[in-house]
Amino acid sequence: AQRVTQPEKLLSVFKGAPVELKCNYSYSGSPELFWYVQYSRQRLQLLLRHISRESIKGFTADLNKGETSFHLKKPFAQEEDSAMYYCAPLPNFGNEKLTFGTGTRLTIIP
Amino acid sequence: SAVISQKPSRDICQRGTSLTIQCQVDSQVTMMFWYRQQPGQSLTLIATANQGSEATYESGFVIDKFPISRPNLTFSTLTVSNMSPEDSSIYLCSVDQGAYEQYFGPGTRLTVT
Repeated sequence: AQRVTQPEKLLSVFKGAPVELKCNYSYSGSPELFWYVQYSRQRLQLLLRHISRESIKGFTADLNKGETSFHLKKPFAQEEDSAMYYCAPLPNFGNEKLTFGTGTRLTIIP
Repeated sequence: SAVISQKPSRDICQRGTSLTIQCQVDSQVTMMFWYRQQPGQSLTLIATANQGSEATYESGFVIDKFPISRPNLTFSTLTVSNMSPEDSSIYLCSVDQGAYEQYFGPGTRLTVT
């Protein structure tokens, strides 16, 4: 079965420290991958996607096909990064249905 | 990006009753999706709602329990029928505005007693 795994349900990081939220997928082929974020009292929103290769709010994510991973990273955590983060692969283009990981709640400690 | 609203934002319902959730988008979109997020869980896709055709349900979800309407390109409803406490969840609608990026509504928090 095609799956996406976020091994950490909770992650606490001190402000200014590096952040890495892990995501592993088990899709064949070349999936497109997204990270969605939900800040407190806000709706779920797109943070970044692999194909754009952008850095959004200081976050980047590199697709490692060998390890089938798409970890989200930020070199220096900020308090406003505290949120729920979901990894969401799109199995293949032409299929618009996203599959969401279980999510990681990131807490930045001041 | 699309502006998406949902009604109601929350409700408390008795078991055995039904609730219809509305999703309104400020622009025309082809694909709308309905998700469920149970307490402490991730998002699970219930169905894809396309205008002019029947909704496509995911495994584990059936039309009798979750009937969906999509009368036009800006509106959809999801009904949770014959509710039980296990249906207590946040229900989210989303739209695909192209490039496979989805935009989400604020959600409807349903509690079934």
